[in-house]
Amino acid sequence: AQSVTQLDSQVPVFEEAPVELRCNYSSSVSVYLFWYVQYPNQGLQLLLKYLSGSTLVKGINGFEAEFNKSQTSFHLRKPSVHISDTAEYFCAVSKGGATNKLIFGTGTLLAVQP
Amino acid sequence: SAVISQKPSRDICQRGTSLTIQCQVDSQVTMMFWYRQQPGQSLTLIATANQGSEATYESGFVIDKFPISRPNLTFSTLTVSNMSPEDSSIYLCSVERGSPNYGYTFGSGTRLTVV
Repeated sequence: AQSVTQLDSQVPVFEEAPVELRCNYSSSVSVYLFWYVQYPNQGLQLLLKYLSGSTLVKGINGFEAEFNKSQTSFHLRKPSVHISDTAEYFCAVSKGGATNKLIFGTGTLLAVQP
Repeated sequence: SAVISQKPSRDICQRGTSLTIQCQVDSQVTMMFWYRQQPGQSLTLIATANQGSEATYESGFVIDKFPISRPNLTFSTLTVSNMSPEDSSIYLCSVERGSPNYGYTFGSGTRLTVV
């Protein structure tokens, strides 16, 4: 079965600094990978997804992620963060097919400070 | 992507009672999922609901506690039965429109408090 690990429960960063949120997955089959964002007291919003093809995926709000099969990672990056990026970020994996449930990591709180 | 309407948005319930949460999608979808997000935690999958078949429950979740209905391709309900304070969570439904290309869309959630 697939699983997702987000090692950092919280990442504090100053405004306009770059940030990387780490995500590692484990699966014996090819997977689809996703990053979701949850702003305070709001639902989940899809940031970006990797299905196949180019390993560098660009998403909304200036975020991007790179799929690295050899390291089984899908880290999320942004070159310059804003206060408004403060939120919980979830990495998730699905193996597609008939049993394509989405499994979430534990989440990383990105806390942007002025 | 699909638009999901989830009701109620929040509720405060007495222990021992049951609450039914509704999830309405604006288009037909094959698979619907129900998640629980406990305070300060990530999302945990409760079950997968396909139209015309029994829901498939994840380890730790049982039908008697979380009965699910899926009467058609646009609607599903999750009931939280015989509630206790430990059931206080956000419950979310999600759909996947037959292809990961569309991503998974989530409802806005039901914030349940059991007193």
